[in-house]
Amino acid sequence: DQQVKQNSPSLSVQEGRISILNCDYTNSMFDYFLWYKKYPAEGPTFLISISSIKDKNEDGRFTVFLNKSAKHLSLHIVPSQPGDSAVYFCAAFREGSNFGNEKLTFGTGTRLTIIP
Amino acid sequence: EPEVTQTPSHQVTQMGQEVILRCVPISNHLYFYWYRQILGQKVEFLVSFYNNEISEKSEIFDDQFSVERPDGSNFTLKIRSTKLEDSAMYFCASSEGLRARTYNSPLHFGNGTRLTVT
Repeated sequence: DQQVKQNSPSLSVQEGRISILNCDYTNSMFDYFLWYKKYPAEGPTFLISISSIKDKNEDGRFTVFLNKSAKHLSLHIVPSQPGDSAVYFCAAFREGSNFGNEKLTFGTGTRLTIIP
Repeated sequence: EPEVTQTPSHQVTQMGQEVILRCVPISNHLYFYWYRQILGQKVEFLVSFYNNEISEKSEIFDDQFSVERPDGSNFTLKIRSTKLEDSAMYFCASSEGLRARTYNSPLHFGNGTRLTVT
């Protein structure tokens, strides 16, 4: 049951250009969406999140867009830097009655490679 | 910046043996989690733990799995009788467990323990 899907397993982008990573979800009950970045031999690192009541959240070079009607979100990185090369995971959770519990449902990840 | 630490980084065990994976969550965090990632697959939720009891668990977290917070700092995952399919990277995570609508309390993950069952 793939509630969160990242259909592109890999993406290559020239340094300085925009990287756009996409994510689709099927569960309309999700309240929050997150992007995590993962380097080899490390755990996922939180990047940016967005609440389901918003359609955009920006933090420095990272912007997340949420299209609830399409059940789609995207992460924009601009400008892309070599250090951005990593696997990016989209994740989501439903707050429900268990406030504070962050049971994340992850996508399968997109490997981003920034070409110098 | 405080971080979640996990030991060991790599554990090799024989099928049927018990393993204990250890984690030290961030000290002021209230919720603790175990996730796992089988090679090439997505990161999957196993269990969350709050106020000294399991808050939620997935269908993966069957009777072979247990969690414990034996003291004020450690959080452990025990697999009683390991199977080949338990081979995966196991991530411990913790969170403050407090959240406003702006959401500024992300999950913090450790670097994982790679469990290999032979």
